[in-house]
Amino acid sequence: DQQVKQNSPSLSVQEGRISILNCDYTNSMFDYFLWYKKYPAEGPTFLISISSIKDKNEDGRFTVFLNKSAKHLSLHIVPSQPGDSAVYFCAASADGSGNTGKLIFGQGTTLQVKP
Amino acid sequence: GAGVSQTPSNKVTEKGKYVELRCDPISGHTALYWYRQSLGQGPEFLIYFQGTGAADDSGLPNDRFFAVRPEGSVSTLKIQRTERGDSAVYLCASSLPGKSGYTFGSGTRLTVV
Repeated sequence: DQQVKQNSPSLSVQEGRISILNCDYTNSMFDYFLWYKKYPAEGPTFLISISSIKDKNEDGRFTVFLNKSAKHLSLHIVPSQPGDSAVYFCAASADGSGNTGKLIFGQGTTLQVKP
Repeated sequence: GAGVSQTPSNKVTEKGKYVELRCDPISGHTALYWYRQSLGQGPEFLIYFQGTGAADDSGLPNDRFFAVRPEGSVSTLKIQRTERGDSAVYLCASSLPGKSGYTFGSGTRLTVV
């Protein structure tokens, strides 16, 4: 039972354009959501997070949107840069903070930003 | 050290053998996590330590898997009677209360032949 799903295995965008990565979840107990970025041969790196009491969180070029009624979140990267090319994982937590207890990860989306 | 350190970075073992994977968390991080990532999948939770004790070991797949953190710092993941299906990248992470997100190590790639 995949509680966190990233239905697009890959995404290709042109440099300077917007990248939109999507994530759906099924467990209504999830109250904190995170995005991680992973380069080959490295561990995932925390990117941005959002609590379920919010619907948007922005950090520089990265914005995460949460639609609780649809159980859907998205990560927007604008403008996209070639260095953003990586695998992006969506993760969810039921502990309210995302830094204690387990995270449930999606399968990942490989983003390629073309120069 | 500055980051989470995992050793070895690669491990090849024969089916049926015992392996130990080591994780050195960031100094002062009280929480430590083990995850397993198979090809094409996201990290899968195995176990979480708060200090020396396992706060949640619900992700350990069976009794061949065991993890310890005797002094609340370094942790060892132990796998007995390894099977080919255990082949994966084993990721360790640590965190501090009040700070979003974990810090992951680069992982140990385990291959069981």
